[in-house]
Amino acid sequence: EAGVAQSPRYKIIEKRQSVAFWCNPISGHATLYWYQQILGQGPKLLIQFQNNGVVDDSQLPKDRFSAERLKGVDSTLKIQPAKLEDSAVYLCASSGGVGEEQYFGPGTRLTVT
Amino acid sequence: DQQVKQNSPSLSVQEGRISILNCDYTNSMFDYFLWYKKYPAEGPTFLISISSIKDKNEDGRFTVFLNKSAKHLSLHIVPSQPGDSAVYFCAASGGSNYKLTFGKGTLLTVNP
Repeated sequence: EAGVAQSPRYKIIEKRQSVAFWCNPISGHATLYWYQQILGQGPKLLIQFQNNGVVDDSQLPKDRFSAERLKGVDSTLKIQPAKLEDSAVYLCASSGGVGEEQYFGPGTRLTVT
Repeated sequence: DQQVKQNSPSLSVQEGRISILNCDYTNSMFDYFLWYKKYPAEGPTFLISISSIKDKNEDGRFTVFLNKSAKHLSLHIVPSQPGDSAVYFCAASGGSNYKLTFGKGTLLTVNP
């Protein structure tokens, strides 16, 4: 069974630029999560999708972050414009349903200079 | 406000000995607790979990203990192996969407 795929693995951008991350969850998983992990911290949930609907986006900075999950499969997370404090690893996870075990992808390491 | 706390940033143990990783939480609504292991450049992987209706759960070399009155849980690894060297995250959830709240992690180093 293929795991959660994410791309790119690494990205360096300048502040005020925009960036997008892509996630392909495990086949058949209805629930998809995006986490932000700042160095020295644990992952923090940004947004949770159930199929293509948003379950929780209470910690998503909506003035600059956006996410979508068209057709209930792949998802993209966008930051526009980026700030220095957005430097972090962005993790995507998926699960068969809400409350089920979450499987994480390798993450995208973003550096904003 | 950090609801899940792992107060030890790092822990070093000898191969074959017991590793004990600790976690405290403040939110009384949490009713499900998990431990994740993370190697460098990889995503976290699920290790073991415990529901609030239990006080112990065991899986091979890994045992998690929950003390609800103290709002404390611990992960015991016996015997510790060099391959156990990783960052261990404690996570907790409660509520209808099972949202996970993670601690900052503890870096475990098992020395041969």
